[in-house]
Amino acid sequence: QLQLQESGSGLVKPSQTLSLTCAVSGGSISSGGYSWSWIRQPPGKGLEWIGYIYHSGSTYYNPSLKSRVTISVDRSKNQFSLKLSSVTAADTAVYYCARGVQGVLDYWGQGTLVTVSS
Amino acid sequence: AIQLTQSPSSLSASVGDRVTITCRASQGISSALAWYQQKPGKAPKLLIYDASSLESGVPSRFSGSGSGTDFTLTISSLQPEDFATYYCQQFNSYPHFFGQGTRLEIK
Repeated sequence: QLQLQESGSGLVKPSQTLSLTCAVSGGSISSGGYSWSWIRQPPGKGLEWIGYIYHSGSTYYNPSLKSRVTISVDRSKNQFSLKLSSVTAADTAVYYCARGVQGVLDYWGQGTLVTVSS
Repeated sequence: AIQLTQSPSSLSASVGDRVTITCRASQGISSALAWYQQKPGKAPKLLIYDASSLESGVPSRFSGSGSGTDFTLTISSLQPEDFATYYCQQFNSYPHFFGQGTRLEIK
């Protein structure tokens, strides 16, 4: 059974860079045909698609976040990562990682709350 | 970018009711639509993909239909565990935006 687990700093200061990692177990992140995604949800609001990285290494980002987002893969550790720079209070959210199959998100991590505050 | 509009935004219903939630895309997306269920404090769960295919393990009272721009999620007979928020998501073209969600509450 595939499992995904987010980890990283739960508190980030404004203007700094948010960094999260998603550890994948029960399967290889190098398996072909999958994308590895990040989604976020501000408190009390809906889901916002952040972007994903394909097994090939190609990345696709939400245009509204593109200038600040980087998603990367570390195959040696079977994990992928999210970096979001120049954060503000508006970036406070629960951040989820997920596996995609042709875009369909079939496995999700439990989510991790990141608060942006000084 | 393709925008998704769900209706209604919230809905009150009773156990045993038949419920339908609609998702409309701003342009045609063929059948590239998924539905997710989210309960408070939990990650979303995939219910339906390719507009009408039921994910393994999801009860058969859930069904999806539609293609092009108009899609529906139907719950044939509401159960207590179905009260949650439901989201649609398109994966026809990048970016893979979600709808704004429909909150299903107990009447």
